[in-house]
Amino acid sequence: EVQLVESGGGLVQPGGSLRLSCVASGFTLSDYYMDWVRQTPAKGLEWVARSRDKAHSHTTEYTASVKGRFTISRDDSKSSLYLQMNSLKTEDTAVYYCVRGRNGFDYWGQGSLVTVSS
Amino acid sequence: DIQMTQSPSSVSASVGDRVSITCRASQDITKSLTWFQQKPGKAPKSLIYDASKLQSGVPSRFSGSGSGADFTLTISSLQPEDFATYYCQQYKSYPYTFGQGTRVEI
Repeated sequence: EVQLVESGGGLVQPGGSLRLSCVASGFTLSDYYMDWVRQTPAKGLEWVARSRDKAHSHTTEYTASVKGRFTISRDDSKSSLYLQMNSLKTEDTAVYYCVRGRNGFDYWGQGSLVTVSS
Repeated sequence: DIQMTQSPSSVSASVGDRVSITCRASQDITKSLTWFQQKPGKAPKSLIYDASKLQSGVPSRFSGSGSGADFTLTISSLQPEDFATYYCQQYKSYPYTFGQGTRVEI
């Protein structure tokens, strides 16, 4: 059974940093594209970042609003995906989902809430 | 960025009804479209990918159609567990973008 379990969310002040983790099970992480998607009541669902599979050298893509501030990475040996978030802004407040990028976005984690507030 | 526009924003329906939701892209996305279902407090669940292919385990009452810029999600006979919010998303080009959602309610 495919499972994605996020952790690392919480409350952080504007300008601060946070690292989200996602542990994958039920499949071989290195074989899959993986994404982070966030959701807010105001803006809805927003794709954030992508890490391609090992065959594509784990190259990455980002949405413009996080480029230069967020970094997606992975450790296939630990079946883990990460999102390092720096210089956080209040508008980054959201539930962040770890998502497997096969056949569209076929499996989603349960989400991790990130709140950026002073 | 490609804009995705869903209609209607909400629909009232009854168990057994046929319900259709449309999604329009601001440019040609061929068949690079997926549909999700989301219930309150839960993660989205993938229903359809490549515009018309059913994800494993999804009931056959769900179907998708369309290509280019116009797409439709149809629920052939609404069941109680189908009351939820539905989203479309394009994965033709970055940044991937979502529709604003369609709430299916009683």
